[in-house]
Amino acid sequence: AQKVTQAQTEISVVEKEDVTLDCVYETRDTTYYLFWYKQPPSGELVFLIRRNSFDEQNEISGRYSWNFQKSTSSFNFTITASQVVDSAVYFCALSEAQVAAGNKLTFGGGTRVLVKP
Amino acid sequence: ETGVTQTPRHLVMGMTNKKSLKCEQHLGHNAMYWYKQSAKKPLELMFVYSLEERVENNSVPSRFSPECPNSSHLFLHLHTLQPEDSALYLCASSTRQGLDGYTFGSGTRLTVV
Repeated sequence: AQKVTQAQTEISVVEKEDVTLDCVYETRDTTYYLFWYKQPPSGELVFLIRRNSFDEQNEISGRYSWNFQKSTSSFNFTITASQVVDSAVYFCALSEAQVAAGNKLTFGGGTRVLVKP
Repeated sequence: ETGVTQTPRHLVMGMTNKKSLKCEQHLGHNAMYWYKQSAKKPLELMFVYSLEERVENNSVPSRFSPECPNSSHLFLHLHTLQPEDSALYLCASSTRQGLDGYTFGSGTRLTVV
């Protein structure tokens, strides 16, 4: 069975500090996909990134960066120079690659990030 | 309209009521999903529809009844709910294999009294 663990339930930082969100996953699949989503107070989950299991290159997008370590089954997310607008709940998710129809994402419990001015 | 639209945004219902949640997507996706988000639990997948056929029913009680009349619309019919069913119900859509991630709606905040 697939499982995603986000050990940090809540992180509070002051604006301009960096914040790293941990994500550890379990899967028996050799090919899989990992995702990060942001859920602002408005409720909808916003897609941030997808990473497949055979691409371990780290990725940077503006103030966001992701560190994928297959050896430790981790896919961590760092926000650099945090801003108040980054305050949200962030979810890590995992999906299997071989699906017949539709797809199922397994989500972690989420990490609430509070950025104080 | 673009994206995934859910209505209503908020719903309060009694345990004997019957109501329906609606989800609509205009992204050309052909898979749609219902997720439940409770205060103290991770996001729980409830139902998956692909090409308008239900391909997953994740042990959801029969008081929740999904309907997918076409690839753009998804409903969740509710009847005789319990207070513990109070949660945020999120709809999402994706391409058939979902490899580009889901697009989520803003959810319906349901309170059962």
